[in-house]
Amino acid sequence: DAGVTQSPTHLIKTRGQQVTLRCSPKSGHDTVSWYQQALGQGPQFIFQYYEEEERQRGNFPDRFSGHQFPNYSSELNVNALLLGDSALYLCASSLRSGGAGGYTFGSGTRLTVV
Amino acid sequence: AQSVTQLGSHVSVSEGALVLLRCNYSSSVPPYLFWYVQYPNQGLQLLLKYTSAATLVKGINGFEAEFKKSETSFHLTKPSAHMSDAAEYFCAVSHGSGNTGKLIFGQGTTLQVKP
Repeated sequence: DAGVTQSPTHLIKTRGQQVTLRCSPKSGHDTVSWYQQALGQGPQFIFQYYEEEERQRGNFPDRFSGHQFPNYSSELNVNALLLGDSALYLCASSLRSGGAGGYTFGSGTRLTVV
Repeated sequence: AQSVTQLGSHVSVSEGALVLLRCNYSSSVPPYLFWYVQYPNQGLQLLLKYTSAATLVKGINGFEAEFKKSETSFHLTKPSAHMSDAAEYFCAVSHGSGNTGKLIFGQGTTLQVKP
């Protein structure tokens, strides 16, 4: 049973460019959340998708946007990249109706903005 | 607003010694609390979670944590450290249920295990 799969694993972009990160949730999960983890920091919540709609959003600018597809996979898009966007981006999936089963995290995408 | 404070950004213990990682939370509603471990260049792995059942929670790899409402604490312990326990540990509180609420993480504690 595959866990959460994220792609790519590493990415280098130039300031001002746009980037798309991808996430396939664990089999059976229907909710996807995205987190940004800067070096030496704890992860920070970006947003959460369920039924192809953004359900919750953290304190991130509109440059950060996302999408969820009918197969529950998700994309995170970041426009007009800044040096400060360099971080590990983590995807976490869960089953919305699964009580308190918790989240399963992927290994992340390491984004470096130069 | 919910928040998490992990006391000590770096903890060093000898192999075989007790591990104690401290976490205090702030929450206006009964919280869901989690401990995650992160190995270098990897994602987060759930060690254990508190969901308002038993206050002493047992997790994987011999770790356990005790929920103390009066102290607003959820400290992580392991009786005997192993070299493989060296990693970054994060305490988190959930805003909402354990499956849908966003996780609010502490800053993390790096555990070093000396031979």
